[in-house]
Amino acid sequence: DADVTQTPRNRITKTGKRIMLECSQTKGHDRMYWYRQDPGLGLRLIYYSFDVKDINKGEISDGYSVSRQAQAKFSLSLESAIPNQTALYFCATSDLRQGAYNEQFFGPGTRLTVL
Amino acid sequence: AQSVTQLDSHVSVSEGTPVLLRCNYSSSYSPSLFWYVQHPNKGLQLLLKYTSAATLVKGINGFEAEFKKSETSFHLTKPSAHMSDAAEYFCVVKRAGGTSYGKLTFGQGTILTVHP
Repeated sequence: DADVTQTPRNRITKTGKRIMLECSQTKGHDRMYWYRQDPGLGLRLIYYSFDVKDINKGEISDGYSVSRQAQAKFSLSLESAIPNQTALYFCATSDLRQGAYNEQFFGPGTRLTVL
Repeated sequence: AQSVTQLDSHVSVSEGTPVLLRCNYSSSYSPSLFWYVQHPNKGLQLLLKYTSAATLVKGINGFEAEFKKSETSFHLTKPSAHMSDAAEYFCVVKRAGGTSYGKLTFGQGTILTVHP
């Protein structure tokens, strides 16, 4: 979905390096999420944010941090990358006004490889 | 607590034959249920969602799903598979109402292969 963009789309890095993945959206949604996808495990929530001043940990936040620079921007950082953080990372957004049945809209994903 | 189990990790069908992807869920509260599709090297796209208005939900590309509370199931079906349906499918549950923060719980995924 072109309304949610992620950069970079692919990244190869080495153990111990600091990495930042960026997400931008033009949907005007207030809620943003970061997930990682591993084969056979579906998607797991890393962090989520309801607005610029509201950041919350998800299921698997250890080793990750986030920054909500603006309503439209939500970045994920790996402070010191390790090989088991190799995964496909997705950013998603949703609209509070849709209520309890609101769906999430996903970006195209960032494939990260940590050597 | 809520959870989702997709009963098949892989499903293989021939083009033109029916598709059935099975999903069972567990939720302490009335759930919202979704099916998402992920084509190779693409993001996730919403196929359909159950919001309690009707138990049979129609989605895009000819897919539909039926919510069966007694069986805690939300199976995805399509009468006739097309080659373009080959993708990975995710069943997703979300607690509806209350102070839910929008957390989605994903199933493990089912890879659908369509043979000519």
